[in-house]
Amino acid sequence: AQSVAQPEDQVNVAEGNPLTVKCTYSVSGNPYLFWYVQYPNRGLQFLLKYITGDNLVKGSYGFEAEFNKSQTSFHLKKPSALVSDSALYFCAFTGGGNKLTFGTGTQLKVEL
Amino acid sequence: SQTIHQWPATLVQPVGSPLSLECTVEGTSNPNLYWYRQAAGRGLQLLFYSVGIGQISSEVPQNLSASRPQDRQFILSSKKLLLSDSGFYLCAWSASSPTRNSPLHFGNGTRLTVT
Repeated sequence: AQSVAQPEDQVNVAEGNPLTVKCTYSVSGNPYLFWYVQYPNRGLQFLLKYITGDNLVKGSYGFEAEFNKSQTSFHLKKPSALVSDSALYFCAFTGGGNKLTFGTGTQLKVEL
Repeated sequence: SQTIHQWPATLVQPVGSPLSLECTVEGTSNPNLYWYRQAAGRGLQLLFYSVGIGQISSEVPQNLSASRPQDRQFILSSKKLLLSDSGFYLCAWSASSPTRNSPLHFGNGTRLTVT
């Protein structure tokens, strides 16, 4: 079955340090990959997507993600974390249709 | 600009009671509409999606149903709630397929507690 996996339930990082939230995929054909963020008791917000083209995708709030076909990964990164980045992050994919399937989420905690 | 409204924000219902959650979108036409459920603050489960009026795709067998009586209205219903129906229900819309430069836009969710 096609899926995305987020191997870390929680990631802790100090403010100002770079952050990485990991996502690997198992999708046949060309994967369409996304990152979303969720703040407490709110809906999800779109951060960025990879459809085709450049492997490095830039998104909202200074986030970027690198599509790596050989490692089947799509890790979310930010050069310098902020306390306000603390939230729940979801990787997602679609095989090309109308359904968007989400990973289990990674809680990011940025500490002073 | 487009907006999505979802209500109520919180709901406490007894087991066996009916359910109706409503979602409406403004500022766009013929959107794709989605219902997701989030349990225990983590994973999102796609319940239903719709690409047009009266067109509903069900993803998970359960005692919930969805309807789209108008272009920008999406309703989640149940005739008899179960304890396992508790969760955070999220409605979302997209202009078209997520692959066509059209991300999902989510409402603020309804937290349902079945007692």
